[in-house]
Amino acid sequence: EDQVTQSPEALRLQEGESSSLNCSYTVSGLRGLFWYRQDPGKGPEFLFTLYSAGEEKEKERLKATLTKKESFLHITAPKPEDSATYLCADLDNYGQNFVFGPGTRLSVLP
Amino acid sequence: DTAVSQTPKYLVTQMGNDKSIKCEQNLGHDTMYWYKQDSKKFLKIMFSYNNKELIINETVPNRFSPKSPDKAHLNLHINSLELGDSAVYFCASSQGQGAGYGYTFGSGTRLTVV
Repeated sequence: EDQVTQSPEALRLQEGESSSLNCSYTVSGLRGLFWYRQDPGKGPEFLFTLYSAGEEKEKERLKATLTKKESFLHITAPKPEDSATYLCADLDNYGQNFVFGPGTRLSVLP
Repeated sequence: DTAVSQTPKYLVTQMGNDKSIKCEQNLGHDTMYWYKQDSKKFLKIMFSYNNKELIINETVPNRFSPKSPDKAHLNLHINSLELGDSAVYFCASSQGQGAGYGYTFGSGTRLTVV
């Protein structure tokens, strides 16, 4: 069965302290790796799609990278407003629907 | 304007009741979805609906049934509610089906069955 795992489960950073979140996937024939941000009480908000190993995407303080087995979400000099749960997902074997990981809950302290 | 809206935001009901959650999108998307987020925060697909084609996740009990009166609406009806149905239900939409189209999610409906 297709599985997506994320680590760490929770991460607390001081403002300005850079770090990375990990996403590992097991589906064969990756059709895309997706990152979403979810704030409490809200639905996930789309961030990035990565399709091939070596690909990178950036948005403000976030940069997503992809290898053959995992993806990283790098957060550079985070601010408190970056606090959220970050979800990664790939597509199921039919290429139809997302398979989400459990998320990493990020807290950035001022 | 809210792109994907769900009502109600909170729903508390007793076991055995039948309830519905409504979803509307104003993005002109042609595919809509229902996801369930359980207590462990895993988001899992329940249904996708595209051009009157319904794709059901085979693990979803048949007490759950989606109803789409038109392309902009996909409602979720649940019969004979059980305690294990307590979760947050998210509606989403996308332009196109699968193949990596980014979804737009609603804010969720927190269902509590007592």
